[in-house]
Amino acid sequence: ELKVEQNPLFLSMQEGKNYTIYCNYSTTSDRLYWYRQDPGKSLESLFVLLSNGAVKQEGRLMASLDTKARLSTLHITAAVHDLSATYFCAVDMPYTNKLIFGTGTLLAVQP
Amino acid sequence: GAGVSQSPRYKVAKRGQDVALRCDPISGHVSLFWYQQALGQGPEFLTYFQNEAQLDKSGLPSDRFFAERPEGSVSTLKIQRTQQEDSAVYLCASSLVAGHLSGNTIYFGEGSWLTVV
Repeated sequence: ELKVEQNPLFLSMQEGKNYTIYCNYSTTSDRLYWYRQDPGKSLESLFVLLSNGAVKQEGRLMASLDTKARLSTLHITAAVHDLSATYFCAVDMPYTNKLIFGTGTLLAVQP
Repeated sequence: GAGVSQSPRYKVAKRGQDVALRCDPISGHVSLFWYQQALGQGPEFLTYFQNEAQLDKSGLPSDRFFAERPEGSVSTLKIQRTQQEDSAVYLCASSLVAGHLSGNTIYFGEGSWLTVV
């Protein structure tokens, strides 16, 4: 059974600081997704990581994938209040059309 | 439409009542997914359609749950004899190509919030 764990579950940080969210998964998968969800809103796709060593950046967010370690990171640089949301990672269940989601990381950026 | 549209956005059902949740995917999208998201949790897979074919329904929690997509576009998730544990947000998602094996972007709707009282 594929399990996806995120940590931390809750992150309170000050504006201007850097931090990293970690996503570990239990079985082999070559595709990992990061989503953002605002309260009461849809899941917004941030990154799709397709291969070992993949790194993608958009604004203050950078995601990376290490398939050998079964680990993805979402790094936040110089956080701003607008980044406050819940962030989910999700992994393909191999040979299916399922995404297995982590429990999410609630990020609160304080002014 | 511009995105995945779901209705109703909010539904309060009495225990034992049947409910139907509708999803309008992005026009032309082949793949359609339903996920269930309990409060404070990540979404959990329910079922997957490729056009009108339901290729995977392994995530449906019981035989009270039924989904269809008869013409390969709009989909309906039906829950019969609702129970309190069915209370959750039901998310619909679509993608342009078949499944997400190619890593293509999956677009989610805002969800239907179901509360069973």
